[in-house]
Amino acid sequence: RKEVEQDPGPFNVPEGATVAFNCTYSNSASQSFFWYRQDCRKEPKLLMSVYSSGNEDGRFTAQLNRASQYISLLIRDSKLSDSATYLCVVRDPGRRALTFGSGTRLQVQP
Amino acid sequence: DAGVTQSPTHLIKTRGQQVTLRCSPISGHKSVSWYQQVLGQGPQFIFQYYEKEERGRGNFPDRFSARQFPNYSSELNVNALLLGDSALYLCASAGGLENEKLFFGSGTQLSVL
Repeated sequence: RKEVEQDPGPFNVPEGATVAFNCTYSNSASQSFFWYRQDCRKEPKLLMSVYSSGNEDGRFTAQLNRASQYISLLIRDSKLSDSATYLCVVRDPGRRALTFGSGTRLQVQP
Repeated sequence: DAGVTQSPTHLIKTRGQQVTLRCSPISGHKSVSWYQQVLGQGPQFIFQYYEKEERGRGNFPDRFSARQFPNYSSELNVNALLLGDSALYLCASAGGLENEKLFFGSGTQLSVL
């Protein structure tokens, strides 16, 4: 089983739609969680950290469910510029490395 | 301020050759990590260096090695290249050893023929 699993997509949605991605992680002791965004042939960039109480940044909302070991990202009012691959990232205790999922591709269409 | 810079941007090598990739972190950042990203996959951790010492190593063979210099720049070396080493190699810098916010460079695309 992969440490971090994501649906690869692609998710094809119209502008203005709301879309949600989920990610599951295998280590129940994982302590830090993030969503990174990666545009085609570019480097990953931190989108947001994910906190236990859930957090929001503009149109983006991240949730963590420790009991079920999954993380979600909700994007409201999708823009064409949101088209990218969204990487779920986990950090385990005692490890400094970040473990990345394979990413979920989002394509927002006009 | 400049972000993380990597060189070269693209590289073509043949099997069995050796390659050196370079990275300069953001000014003031002392932690440099290296990740390998194969097409269609997420980045996979190779090494972390902090204050010129190796602080973490991923599940990669001994053909992969790295070092960090006094100015905190870093090199990743790969010996005896295999076709499977073809990937995007990403360098990430962070302000501290435990700092989880990584800033990635634009990467070096390595093709092994």
